[in-house]
Amino acid sequence: GESVGLHLPTLSVQEGDNSIINCAYSNSASDYFIWYKQESGKGPQFIIDIRSNMDKRQGQRVTVLLNKTVKHLSLQIAATQPGDSAVYFCADVTPGNQFYFGTGTSLTVIP
Amino acid sequence: KAGVTQTPRYLIKTRGQQVTLSCSPISGHRSVSWYQQTPGQGLQFLFEYFSETQRNKGNFPGRFSGRQFSNSRSEMNVSTLELGDSALYLCASSLWGAAEAFFGQGTRLTVV
Repeated sequence: GESVGLHLPTLSVQEGDNSIINCAYSNSASDYFIWYKQESGKGPQFIIDIRSNMDKRQGQRVTVLLNKTVKHLSLQIAATQPGDSAVYFCADVTPGNQFYFGTGTSLTVIP
Repeated sequence: KAGVTQTPRYLIKTRGQQVTLSCSPISGHRSVSWYQQTPGQGLQFLFEYFSETQRNKGNFPGRFSGRQFSNSRSEMNVSTLELGDSALYLCASSLWGAAEAFFGQGTRLTVV
């Protein structure tokens, strides 16, 4: 079976610093990967995705990097803000459109 | 446009009972997926429906079932509830093949 795992369960950063959240996956056939943000009491919210034929994609204050050689995915958040405090999940999406999520990393931004 | 709506938001059931959860997807979305979220386990895929047909199924026992109606609304059912079924059940809708799945706020099920 395939698995998607996160390297760190918790991460604390100072407001204004950059945050890096890591994720490992095992299915080399995955079509794309997605990062979600889940705030307390809410469902996961789409942040950014990346196709398997790309190695970098940038959004607003976020960058996702994909290293297919080592099956590693990372989410970089620039100038982290208190509103970024949440649990972040990576998801591995198969060609059959089946999503596999990691357990999540809890990001805490210290004012 | 309205987001994904799940009802009820909270539910308490006793062991052995059965429960039905409902999900109304975003208008125009024909794919609905269900997930179970528990502390330490993250999100685990239950099943996905598209045009009233189950397309994918996760590794859950047969007590977990679902269906989708012609208007794309979906229900999931859990029979003979166990304490371990206590979880947040999330529904997500998307256009078929789209990366961006939109999640509802979930139904918090507690089995006592």
